[in-house]
Parts: sequence; structure tokens; C-alpha cells
Amino acid sequence: GAGVSQSPSNKVTEKGKDVELRCDPISGHTALYWYRQSLGQGLEFLIYFQGNSAPDKSGLPSDRFSAERTGGSVSTLTIQRTQQEDSAVYLCASSRGGGELFFGEGSRLTVL
Amino acid sequence: GQSLEQPSEVTAVEGAIVQINCTYQTSGFYGLSWYQQHDGGAPTFLSYNALDGLEETGRFSSFLSRSDSYGYLLLQELQMKDSASYFCAVSGHAGNNRKLIWGLGTSLAVNP
Repeated sequence: GAGVSQSPSNKVTEKGKDVELRCDPISGHTALYWYRQSLGQGLEFLIYFQGNSAPDKSGLPSDRFSAERTGGSVSTLTIQRTQQEDSAVYLCASSRGGGELFFGEGSRLTVL
Repeated sequence: GQSLEQPSEVTAVEGAIVQINCTYQTSGFYGLSWYQQHDGGAPTFLSYNALDGLEETGRFSSFLSRSDSYGYLLLQELQMKDSASYFCAVSGHAGNNRKLIWGLGTSLAVNP
């Protein structure tokens, strides 16, 4: 498709399990962002990839969170040993590097 | 530090005009963006100002004053469907990369 694609759209997991969230950005977009959003809250920055530069990981809340971007395209956000406070919508966005971001529909994570 | 300030809530009636302000303090500045997010949806891009002045797109306009580190989103002829959260975001610096810094969002309620 032409837009940013995220999967799964919904994920329910048990506390302590690992989860992987996937993002397929728009082809040709060099920048990719991961955000987290809790109900009624703003966007919490997690990680930012720009081209071949080292990613900006300054928003990752703990070492249980990691992300990679393979071949400058698809990105995976991994949360290890999930906790209930990890429950949120995880949004991925891509851009050409400017101020216009294109968001996916998000992955809603529920940790029981 | 880097921060953006915008009102948390605004209420208006159908047909009215509303202005949502955004002031920012960031390391470097490339431009100011505005995004709309309906409940349960992903943020969608509305506008981007890199230069001072007013940009008009239909019922929505966005203004920037770089000398005042200030911008606003102007919504005219309000409709019920405009009820949503509106986020301002600044393209600033993060090391050698550009990075989008977000406000906490303004919840707009349009009443009949």
C-alpha cells in the first residue's frame, strides 16, 4: 500500500512476555519514528531513525525496549518482559526528513 | 531543555473561529507543523510553516513568527467533525539530526 503499515493492529499479551511490533514505512522515506501514546495523552517519543545515521534512542523508557531498522526500510520495536505500564498504542511514522510525518494506524498493546 | 506549550483544551461552537497557540523553546528550528488526531485515530498532517507568515489551506490556516518563537493554528467555520486533538510540533536539532519535538496537544470540542 501507499501508506505506513503497522502490525499487529492489536496485541494482548501476558506480563513478562516479549512482543514485537512491526512498521513498514512509505517507500523512499528516510526518517522513521516510533511513538507511544496512552489514552488521552500526547505522543511520547521513543526512537528516531534517519538514513544511515545512528538512531536517536533517547526516548526509550528502559533497556527492555529496543528497535532496529533493516535496510533503511522496515522497523521492528521489541519490548522484552512486558509490564502492565507498557500498555499503550505504539505509533510509527515516516517522513522524507522534514516536518510532514505520515503515521500508521498504530499497534494497540495490552499487557494483562 | 526543549519544550512546546499549547493550551490543553479549547471549546467553541459550530460556525465559529478558534485559534490554538503554540510557543516553543528548542535547539535549532527548521519549521512548525500541526497535526490533527481524532479519538482512536492516528495523527494526520495539517500544515507546515518554515517561514514567517500565514499559510492558508481551506478552512485551516497556520501562522509562524520565528522571532517570537510562536505560531498558531486558525480554524474557521468550525464543524462538529473538527472536534479532535491538535498537536504542534517543531523540527529542531538532535545531535546531527533533525528531530520533531511535540506539544502535549489541545483538545478541541465543537458544540452545536
